[in-house]
Amino acid sequence: AQKITQTQPGMFVQEKEAVTLDCTYDTSDQSYGLFWYKQPSSGEMIFLIYQGSYDEQNATEGRYSLNFQKARKSANLVISASQLGDSAMYFCAMREWAGGYQKVTFGTGTKLQVIP
Amino acid sequence: DSGVTQTPKHLITATGQRVTLRCSPRSGDLSVYWYQQSLDQGLQFLIQYYNGEERAKGNILERFSAQQFPDLHSELNLSSLELGDSALYFCASSAGLAASTDTQYFGPGTRLTVL
Repeated sequence: AQKITQTQPGMFVQEKEAVTLDCTYDTSDQSYGLFWYKQPSSGEMIFLIYQGSYDEQNATEGRYSLNFQKARKSANLVISASQLGDSAMYFCAMREWAGGYQKVTFGTGTKLQVIP
Repeated sequence: DSGVTQTPKHLITATGQRVTLRCSPRSGDLSVYWYQQSLDQGLQFLIQYYNGEERAKGNILERFSAQQFPDLHSELNLSSLELGDSALYFCASSAGLAASTDTQYFGPGTRLTVL
């Protein structure tokens, strides 16, 4: 089974609108972390936001928020007021602990295109 | 700018050759991770070092090896290169703490093209 599933290969959003990128995960661990990274066409991977499994409140970082629903094992990224510069690939990732080191698994990504 | 540096940015070489990719982690980070991103395989974890010692291995081929030096920079060595090794190779670093908030920050990547 896939550890991280991103079911939307591509999405379009109108500039200034909000968009939700889906991510579901699979783990039997109690302690884990969920991350979102952005990869623009230039190639670099940019850390956006982090949510710990024990965090009771949803994480927020500026225009980014993470809609964490633990029982459903989902960690959707919400981008408010989309900007043209938000056009990029977005990767969801999960960190588990195994034998004292962190093991990070990435999803296949969602390509977001912001339309003017 | 994540603070992680990687050199070179681009590398073009021929099949059968050997190359070395270099990574300097963020100041204070003890853990270094290597990833390979190709079109058909997505982002794959290769190997992790913590303070000079290998900590975890992922989908790393036997033709590939890595090390982390006392100054904490790391090198990924790729030998007997094949066409399928063409990919974007990322280095990431983290503080390496057991804390749940330990976050990996990625370098700009090295784009390897094998002809």
